[in-house]
Amino acid sequence: QVQLQESGPGLVKPSETLSLTCTVSGGSISNYYWNWIRQPPGKGLEWIGYGYHSGSTNYNPSLKSRVTISVDTSKNQFSLKLSSVTAADTAVYYCARNPHSGMGFDYWGQGILVTVSS
Amino acid sequence: DIQMTQSPSSLSASVGNRVTITCRASQSISNYLNWYQQKPGKAPKLLIYVASSLQSGVPSRFSGSGSGTDFTLTISSLQPEDFATYYCQQSYSTPRTFGQGTKVEIK
Repeated sequence: QVQLQESGPGLVKPSETLSLTCTVSGGSISNYYWNWIRQPPGKGLEWIGYGYHSGSTNYNPSLKSRVTISVDTSKNQFSLKLSSVTAADTAVYYCARNPHSGMGFDYWGQGILVTVSS
Repeated sequence: DIQMTQSPSSLSASVGNRVTITCRASQSISNYLNWYQQKPGKAPKLLIYVASSLQSGVPSRFSGSGSGTDFTLTISSLQPEDFATYYCQQSYSTPRTFGQGTKVEIK
């Protein structure tokens, strides 16, 4: 059974960099698209981007200048870095697997609330 | 970006009712449309992928249809555990985009 688990700080100061890691267990990280999706409190879902085991990435243009997603096959982990955060970046951050670019997100982490505040 | 619009935004229904939620894309997305269920405090759960394929383990009372720009999610007989928020999502192009959600509440 594939499981995803997000980890990282729950509180980040404005202008700093948000860093999260998603650990994948129960399956290989190769040959899948690994995504980050966020949800501000009480609001809808926003796709941040994905990384692939080959190193290719694809980001939401609305966040592209601030986002980096990387995949570490040796650790079965992938990570998110979001720079220059503001209060608008406060959200629950989910990691999710996409088996094929045209399909849905079939496995999700439980989510981690990240609050941006001084 | 492809805009996804769901209707209604919320609905009230009784156990046993048939429920239909619609999703419209701002341009044709072929059949690259997925549906999710989200309960409070939980991650979304994939129900339907590529418009009409039932994800493994999802009850058969859930079904999806449509192609092009118009899609529907149908729950044939609403069960107590189905009260949740439902989202559509297009996987035709990036950035991936979601509908705003439909909250299904108990009548």
